[in-house]
Amino acid sequence: NAGVTQTPKFRVLKTGQSMTLLCAQDMNHEYMYWYRQDPGMGLRLIHYSVGEGTTAKGEVPDGYNVSRLKKQNFLLGLESAAPSQTSVYFCASSYGDSRAFFGQGTRLTVV
Amino acid sequence: GESVGLHLPTLSVQEGDNSIINCAYSNSASDYFIWYKQESGKGPQFIIDIRSNMDKRQGQRVTVLLNKTVKHLSLQIAATQPGDSAVYFCAEKGKSNYQLIWGAGTKLIIKP
Repeated sequence: NAGVTQTPKFRVLKTGQSMTLLCAQDMNHEYMYWYRQDPGMGLRLIHYSVGEGTTAKGEVPDGYNVSRLKKQNFLLGLESAAPSQTSVYFCASSYGDSRAFFGQGTRLTVV
Repeated sequence: GESVGLHLPTLSVQEGDNSIINCAYSNSASDYFIWYKQESGKGPQFIIDIRSNMDKRQGQRVTVLLNKTVKHLSLQIAATQPGDSAVYFCAEKGKSNYQLIWGAGTKLIIKP
């Protein structure tokens, strides 16, 4: 049972480039989330999904888009990366209460 | 607005002693609180949670206490071990069922 898997683990982008982060969960969870974590801070919710085909904005959605085409996958896209998006990104999933299971994170640097 | 804060950014504890990590929250309407442990380079790991209709909940070597009167949450770790070294986050459930409001974290350091 792999749990929540994020790819890639590390990435360096140039300003203006685009990329997609992939999150996959094998726990049949309905809810999935994308967070960012900046140094010395807690997690901030970017977008979330309560089921296949649905997405919603979280606390800091600007500059990001998401898609949930399959129940087990939740994609996070950056259309035009900015240095302010340098962060560690975490994906999580849950059955619907707030006890979420997290992936190992993706460390993104935008130069 | 909603916010969750922690009293101490770093806590040093002697191995074998008990650790107490504190957390203050501001939204009296929050009804769910959760503690996560995050080791270096890893994602947050669930430790224990508590709902607002409870004052205390115990797990394996951990206890969470909730004082709604002063909006205070604490995590107690018994017989602290080197493997307990991590950053500990408290979080509260926000307006929806999906959004957790996270504190900045407390780094727990274990002294040998």
